[in-house]
Amino acid sequence: AQSVTQPDIHITVSEGASLELRCNYSYGATPYLFWYVQSPGQGLQLLLKYFSGDTLVQGIKGFEAEFKRSQSSFNLRKPSVHWSDAAEYFCAVGALGYSTLTFGKGTMLLVSP
Amino acid sequence: DGGITQSPKYLFRKEGQNVTLSCEQNLNHDAMYWYRQDPGQGLRLIYYSQIVNDFQKGDIAEGYSVSREKKESFPLTVTSAQKNPTAFYLCASSGDRSYEQYFGPGTRLTVT
Repeated sequence: AQSVTQPDIHITVSEGASLELRCNYSYGATPYLFWYVQSPGQGLQLLLKYFSGDTLVQGIKGFEAEFKRSQSSFNLRKPSVHWSDAAEYFCAVGALGYSTLTFGKGTMLLVSP
Repeated sequence: DGGITQSPKYLFRKEGQNVTLSCEQNLNHDAMYWYRQDPGQGLRLIYYSQIVNDFQKGDIAEGYSVSREKKESFPLTVTSAQKNPTAFYLCASSGDRSYEQYFGPGTRLTVT
């Protein structure tokens, strides 16, 4: 069975500083990987996705993520965080032939002034 | 605008009552999903449906029921058998051969 680990429950970053949120997955097949963002009391919004090809993917709001097969990781990065980025971030994994996604438990990002 | 609507945003019920949460999409997506979200637990899959008149149990289906009579609609009933129904419920959909899921705004259910 597939699993997703987001090791950090909370992360605090100063506004303007760089950000990296970690995601590790366990999967037998080639994974499809996603990052979602959720503001309090809202639904999830897709930030970016990886299916195949270039292992560095660009998403919305200035986010990017890099797929590293050797490390089973798909870490989310942003060079300069804005206060509006404060939210909860979820990593998810799926695969060809599977109709469901498995979500990590999320990382809450706090942005300090 | 295409999207997913969930209603109501907040729902209050007394213990022992069944309650139905609405989920409608106009994205022409085949697959629809229901998740439960509790603090620190991430998203847990309750039920999903890949086609009209067919659905499958997810990881935590006990105490819940669904129907899929129309492509656009996938209502979730929280029955009195669900021991801890208070939670945030999210509905999602995905298109044919598309693995990315699009989410509705959620319904917060409080049972007292």
